[in-house]
Amino acid sequence: DTGVSQNPRHKITKRGQNVTFRCDPISEHNRLYWYRQTLGQGPEFLTYFQNEAQLEKSRLLSDRFSAERPKGSFSTLEIQRTEQGDSAMYLCASSLYRQGSSPLHFGNGTRLTVT
Amino acid sequence: GQQVMQIPQYQHVQEGEDFTTYCNSSTTLSNIQWYKQRPGGHPVFLIQLVKSGEVKKQKRLTFQFGEAKKNSSLHITATQTTDVGTYFCAGGATNKLIFGTGTLLAVQP
Repeated sequence: DTGVSQNPRHKITKRGQNVTFRCDPISEHNRLYWYRQTLGQGPEFLTYFQNEAQLEKSRLLSDRFSAERPKGSFSTLEIQRTEQGDSAMYLCASSLYRQGSSPLHFGNGTRLTVT
Repeated sequence: GQQVMQIPQYQHVQEGEDFTTYCNSSTTLSNIQWYKQRPGGHPVFLIQLVKSGEVKKQKRLTFQFGEAKKNSSLHITATQTTDVGTYFCAGGATNKLIFGTGTLLAVQP
C-alpha cells in the first residue's frame, strides 16, 4: 500500500521566502486535493485537480498560492513571499472519482513554520 | 459560503461511557463523510452517508444522516481508549468536501 506521500514533512522558512511542497497521490486516483489545517481546526479546502486540470480554487486563497499537477500524477503547491499567517499543516488527499462523492485518502502532511 | 459546524468542540468521557457528536450544515448536502484524526496524525475516512435519514453502523459506531440532509451525528457506544481523537464530518457536493470544526474526544481509562 503506497498511500499518499508528501514531502517534506516539515519546512521552516523565513518570512518572504518561497516554499514548494510535493504530493504523490495513490497511483490510480484521478483527483487530488490540497487542504490546509491549523491547530484545533478542520481541514480547509484550498484547491483540487481532476487529472491535470485544476477545477476549483478557494476564493480565500491568496494569489501567492499556486498549485500544479503537470502530468496528472504528482502535484506541487507553491507559496510565494510567505507570511507568518501561512504557518499551518498542508494536507494533500487523493480520491478515485467515478460518479458522486468518494472518500479522500490523506497524506501525512507538510508542516510549515514561517518565522 | 457553505459552513459546517460541529458540537461539542471537546468531550471528555470515562472509558465505557457513550459519546455523540453532532454536525450541522448551513446548506443541504448531497452526502456526508466522517473522518477520524488521531493526535499527530492525518484524517482517516470512516464512512459516507448519501440518503436522507440513512443510518449506518460500524461495530460500536452509529452514523446518521438527517432527513433534510443538513445534519448528521456520530454515536460511539461504550467508548474505549482507542477511540481518542478528533472526529470530523465533511459534506458538500461531488467536487469538494467542506470539513466541520471537529469534536475532540478524550477517553479516561
